[in-house]
Amino acid sequence: EAGVVQSPRYKIIEKKQPVAFWCNPISGHNTLYWYRQNLGQGPELLIRYENEEAVDDSQLPKDRFSAERLKGVDSTLKIQPAELGDSAVYLCASSLDRGQGASTDTQYFGPGTRLTVL
Amino acid sequence: AQKITQTQPGMFVQEKEAVTLDCTYDTSDPSYGLFWYKQPSSGEMIFLIYQGSYDQQNATEGRYSLNFQKARKSANLVISASQLGDSAMYFCAMREPHNTDKLIFGTGTRLQVFP
Repeated sequence: EAGVVQSPRYKIIEKKQPVAFWCNPISGHNTLYWYRQNLGQGPELLIRYENEEAVDDSQLPKDRFSAERLKGVDSTLKIQPAELGDSAVYLCASSLDRGQGASTDTQYFGPGTRLTVL
Repeated sequence: AQKITQTQPGMFVQEKEAVTLDCTYDTSDPSYGLFWYKQPSSGEMIFLIYQGSYDQQNATEGRYSLNFQKARKSANLVISASQLGDSAMYFCAMREPHNTDKLIFGTGTRLQVFP
């Protein structure tokens, strides 16, 4: 079974430029997450999708970040314009959410995109 | 207050020995899940083991076991018979399905296994 796929793996851009990351979740997984991981820290949730709906985007800086998950499968996260502080690893994860608040829904992560903003 | 605390920034262990990575958590929700992930230098977060708050027994997955002490709110990861390939960052995480329902991570512990 294929895991979570992300591209690109690495991206270097100058500040004020736009950038986009793509994620394809594990087949059949209805829930998709975008995390940001700063150096020396654990990942922090940016946005969570259940199918096509963004159910938690409270941590997404909406002035410059946007995300979409058309058709409830793959997803794109965009930053426009990028700032120096956006340098981080952006991780995508997916899970099969069985609903009813099950605490067991394991999230499986992709390899991440390492973004460097110069 | 931090939800997940990993007090060991780095740990060393000799190959074939066992090592314990500490994790304490804070929640008032009776229903929660605890997870451990491994992150090698390649960057991918690899799921290792899960413990549910209502599980009566400690979780085990191969060489990984979770020492779950509910009253102390600790969920330490035990790796037996360490291998060189175990060298990585290890993250403890918690999910509170009736609260924010998101996975909250600790700051991680870097484990280095030496021959």
